[in-house]
Amino acid sequence: QLQLQGSGPGLVKPSETLSLTCTVSGGSVSSSAYYWVWIRQPPGKGLEWIGNIYQSGSTNYNPSLKSRVTISIDTSKNQFSLRLSPVTATDTAVYYCVRQVGQHGLPRTSSGWLSGWFDPWGQGTLVTVSS
Amino acid sequence: DIQLTQSPSFLSASVGDRVTITCRASQDITNYLAWYQLQPGQAPNLLIYTASTLQTGVPSRFSGSGSGTEFTLTISSLQPEDFATYYCQQLNSYPLTFGGGTKVEIK
Repeated sequence: QLQLQGSGPGLVKPSETLSLTCTVSGGSVSSSAYYWVWIRQPPGKGLEWIGNIYQSGSTNYNPSLKSRVTISIDTSKNQFSLRLSPVTATDTAVYYCVRQVGQHGLPRTSSGWLSGWFDPWGQGTLVTVSS
Repeated sequence: DIQLTQSPSFLSASVGDRVTITCRASQDITNYLAWYQLQPGQAPNLLIYTASTLQTGVPSRFSGSGSGTEFTLTISSLQPEDFATYYCQQLNSYPLTFGGGTKVEIK
């Protein structure tokens, strides 16, 4: 059974860099069938898709965060990571690492990114941005 | 970006009640919609994808319907473990977006 476990600092100072890593067990980030995703939820607010990455290292980001986000993948460690910089208090959120699942027939972007749903999710890591 | 509007945002119900949550999309998304359940302290859980396909292992009291711009999630007989917040997500186009959530609480 695939499991995802996020890790990283729970407190980051404004203007600095938020760094999180997701370790995948029970499956491989090298699988050609899935994307690996970061999603966040600020306190009391809804869910926001941050971006996804494919085993090749190709990335697709939410335009609202694109200038500040980097998602990377390390197939040798079966991990993928998120960097967000610089951060402000509005980046305080629970950050989830997730697998994106698609299937034949779903919409695809002009650059080839297949749409999909999210399953399973990691437990979530609370990151607070505060001095 | 596609906007998803869920209603109600808050719902108070009793065990055994039939509960319906609505998700409206800002444009036609065919059947490209998923539903999730979020409980405090737990990993979110996929319930339904492509509007009406029940994820493996999800109880049959959950069902989804709809197409185009209007979708519903129905819980046929609310159980104690169903008190949670539910979100819809559109699969039609990037950026992938979610509804604002519906919190189901015990009456």
